[in-house]
Amino acid sequence: GIQVEQSPPDLILQEGANSTLRCNFSDSVNNLQWFHQNPWGQLINLFYIPSGTKQNGRLSATTVATERYSLLYISSSQTTDSGVYFCAVDPSGGGTSYGKLTFGQGTILTVHP
Amino acid sequence: EAGVAQSPRYKIIEKRQSVAFWCNPISGHATLYWYQQILGQGPKLLIQFQNNGVVDDSQLPKDRFSAERLKGVDSTLKIQPAKLEDSAVYLCASSTTPGTTQYFGPGTRLTVL
Repeated sequence: GIQVEQSPPDLILQEGANSTLRCNFSDSVNNLQWFHQNPWGQLINLFYIPSGTKQNGRLSATTVATERYSLLYISSSQTTDSGVYFCAVDPSGGGTSYGKLTFGQGTILTVHP
Repeated sequence: EAGVAQSPRYKIIEKRQSVAFWCNPISGHATLYWYQQILGQGPKLLIQFQNNGVVDDSQLPKDRFSAERLKGVDSTLKIQPAKLEDSAVYLCASSTTPGTTQYFGPGTRLTVL
């Protein structure tokens, strides 16, 4: 099956710093989603981004589908940004694979005040 | 708009006992997913429903796990008998159609002793 690798595995920041999280995937995908899992375990959808660039406040994401990677940018980080960031991909092929997300191992982000 | 609801939030059982989890998706979402998240890993898809039909259950351990979505709305995931390695968070998600943004519930944390 498709492989999804995220880096770095852990990231520690001071409040106000910027960061870039990376997601590499091994095969073509129908779509890619970024999620934030907060310290209480709730998974929150950040971006649905099969290609191109999107921005939402201090967060933005870019997916280069032809080169099989995506980047999540966090600017002016806040303590509430702490948690685990997951990249998840839906492999191409249509049919029963459509919607079947494969998650990476996540990046654990800790933001200190 | 109400989010995905799950219950119970926590469950502790002895091995070889049975347990059931309930999920109510976002109103109007035809596609429902159950994921298993083991500590330190990304979620893994167990089963995907489209209305009341199973689209994909290739990663569901069918000798002990079962799931149903009889009326195409809420769903139940059952484990019988439970094993120690089933200790995990069970997440339910829904989307309008396969391949669109998935929205996750708060999860049920299962501990098997």
